[in-house]
Amino acid sequence: DSGVTQTPKHLITATGQRVTLRCSPRSGDLSVYWYQQSLDQGLQFLIQYYNGEERAKGNILERFSAQQFPDLHSELNLSSLELGDSALYFCASSAATGELEAFFGQGTRLTVV
Amino acid sequence: DQQVKQNSPSLSVQEGRISILNCDYTNSMFDYFLWYKKYPAEGPTFLISISSIKDKNEDGRFTVFLNKSAKHLSLHIVPSQPGDSAVYFCAASARWGGATNKLIFGTGTLLAVQP
Repeated sequence: DSGVTQTPKHLITATGQRVTLRCSPRSGDLSVYWYQQSLDQGLQFLIQYYNGEERAKGNILERFSAQQFPDLHSELNLSSLELGDSALYFCASSAATGELEAFFGQGTRLTVV
Repeated sequence: DQQVKQNSPSLSVQEGRISILNCDYTNSMFDYFLWYKKYPAEGPTFLISISSIKDKNEDGRFTVFLNKSAKHLSLHIVPSQPGDSAVYFCAASARWGGATNKLIFGTGTLLAVQP
């Protein structure tokens, strides 16, 4: 158990809809990262938050947004969903400084039909 | 632009032999490298890391080698065990400021260790 909790584990929704994925980081970790893994693809970095502030952005679509709340949990919002958004979405967390090893949750499998 | 490349999608080795997984990177700003292991239906699990000031780091059966001039790193598993069968991801990061930064992942190598 990595200590990172993601909900829900599975999500099936229709095209055009909006969903919210939730992540609770390890206790004490200030950084939260979101990654997308599509079929046969590596892990694509989407966005990082550090102590509530956006820290780094990857190839995140404009239809996607994220935030980190004062209690440090994070949410990834995906809107106007398309079939191609079907993927595994991973959240990871790491300590503020001195550690680059990120700990991953079990992921949310999103299926858009 | 794939900054971290794992050119072998799969690797099959016999139990007890050495497994060598390779990774190349293009960004010379990367100064920290990590290997993650991933089983199906689970999140990636941190395995071992190396800073750019070192050329080798060892942890039990796992050793990571870094060749900065070639922008290449490798993970050696000796001896390989069937439980090592998983997808292995190489990741790299560049430290800016005081906070941790994003990891750039390769596409992974599926290791199959045959009994």
